Amino acid sequence: QQQVKQSPQSLIVQKGGISIINCAYENTAFDYFPWYQQFPGKGPALLIAIRPDVSEKKEGRFTISFNKSAKQFSLHIMDSQPGDSATYFCAAKVPGGYNKLIFGAGTRLAVHP
Amino acid sequence: GAGVSQSPSNKVTEKGKDVELRCDPISGHTALYWYRQSLGQGLEFLIYFQGNSAPDKSGLPSDRFSAERTGGSVSTLTIQRTQQEDSAVYLCASSSPGAGGITYEQYFGPGTRLTVT
Repeated sequence: QQQVKQSPQSLIVQKGGISIINCAYENTAFDYFPWYQQFPGKGPALLIAIRPDVSEKKEGRFTISFNKSAKQFSLHIMDSQPGDSATYFCAAKVPGGYNKLIFGAGTRLAVHP
Repeated sequence: GAGVSQSPSNKVTEKGKDVELRCDPISGHTALYWYRQSLGQGLEFLIYFQGNSAPDKSGLPSDRFSAERTGGSVSTLTIQRTQQEDSAVYLCASSSPGAGGITYEQYFGPGTRLTVT
């Protein structure tokens, strides 16, 4: 119930292509869905986030698509660049008094020039 | 401004030894979280602090793990009698209530890589 399943585990995309990472959850009470980006040797950093009452959110080249009925959400990176090469984590916030996040296992993205 | 800092950045210890990992959150952030990141795995929640209190310790894997926070600032994660399966990157994050007291974004430190030999 508290799991967030992320796929694929790794992804290789050519420069300029579209990177797509998918996540699925079971707990319909989750109320906030962020994506974090992590570069080697660094801590994760918030990239973009969405609430379940919105079906899509776009920030620059990054878009979250959210399908509440299917309990799935995905990250799309348009015009992928070598600098986007990193590990991406989806997460879901447990409802309640504080920001408890359940993270997916991560996707290692490599964008080849 | 200064972000979340953690020390040491790397720690190699022998099985059975105790280790202490330190986290300095962003000044003024009242919430602090510890996570464990094993190789190829996601972030595993360990413990949450609000001020100096830890209302959620549900992620601590065993009684060998403990954490404290003093002065509403620095936190220390202690692992006693370390085992090889404790080898991982330990990440600390902090956050501060935004509008309406809602706290969403967590700011992460660079982590401490712990290797137990």
